[in-house]
Amino acid sequence: KQEVTQIPAALSVPEGENLVLNCSFTDSAIYNLQWFRQDPGKGLTSLLLIQSSQREQTSGRLNASLDKSSGRSTLYIAASQPGDSATYLCAVRPLRGGADGLTFGKGTHLIIQP
Amino acid sequence: EPEVTQTPSHQVTQMGQEVILRCVPISNHLYFYWYRQILGQKVEFLVSFYNNEISEKSEIFDDQFSVERPDGSNFTLKIRSTKLEDSAMYFCASSWSSGTGGRWTYEQYFGPGTRLTVT
Repeated sequence: KQEVTQIPAALSVPEGENLVLNCSFTDSAIYNLQWFRQDPGKGLTSLLLIQSSQREQTSGRLNASLDKSSGRSTLYIAASQPGDSATYLCAVRPLRGGADGLTFGKGTHLIIQP
Repeated sequence: EPEVTQTPSHQVTQMGQEVILRCVPISNHLYFYWYRQILGQKVEFLVSFYNNEISEKSEIFDDQFSVERPDGSNFTLKIRSTKLEDSAMYFCASSWSSGTGGRWTYEQYFGPGTRLTVT
């Protein structure tokens, strides 16, 4: 059974710092991996999706990498801003395609201090 | 930009009552999902739906749950007899086969959620 772990569980840094959030998964047979952002009491916003054949994806100040063989992904946030404060979730899709459910980590709760 | 919508945003019900949670997926999407998140815990997959039938379901999705796509736009989750432990945020998501070179992404887009409180 796939297990997804995110480290750290919480992180508080001053504005302007670059930071890295970590995600690991136990079964490397994944189709893709998605990073989401969740604001308190709100839904999930998709940030980046990496296919299993890709090594990284970039969107603005965000860069996500994937090392499928070691079961790891990182989300790099450059020049953090207070508006980046949220919980960041990592989720993997199994290697079956079609209408498959995602397995989520518990998330990293990020606070950016002004 | 198209988005997934869910109603109601908050539902309070008594134990043993039936509830129906409603979702309107993004219009050209083909795959539909329900997830739940108990307060302080992980988001958990419940069920996926494709071509008018359940494609996959988790252990959580027992006989108390059912899903339906009653028309071309709505996707519903019914809980027949609610229990206290069904209290959670329920998220609907949808996706479609997008991509290039025959490599589909199935990127999932989530709605804002329905907070279900069972008393």
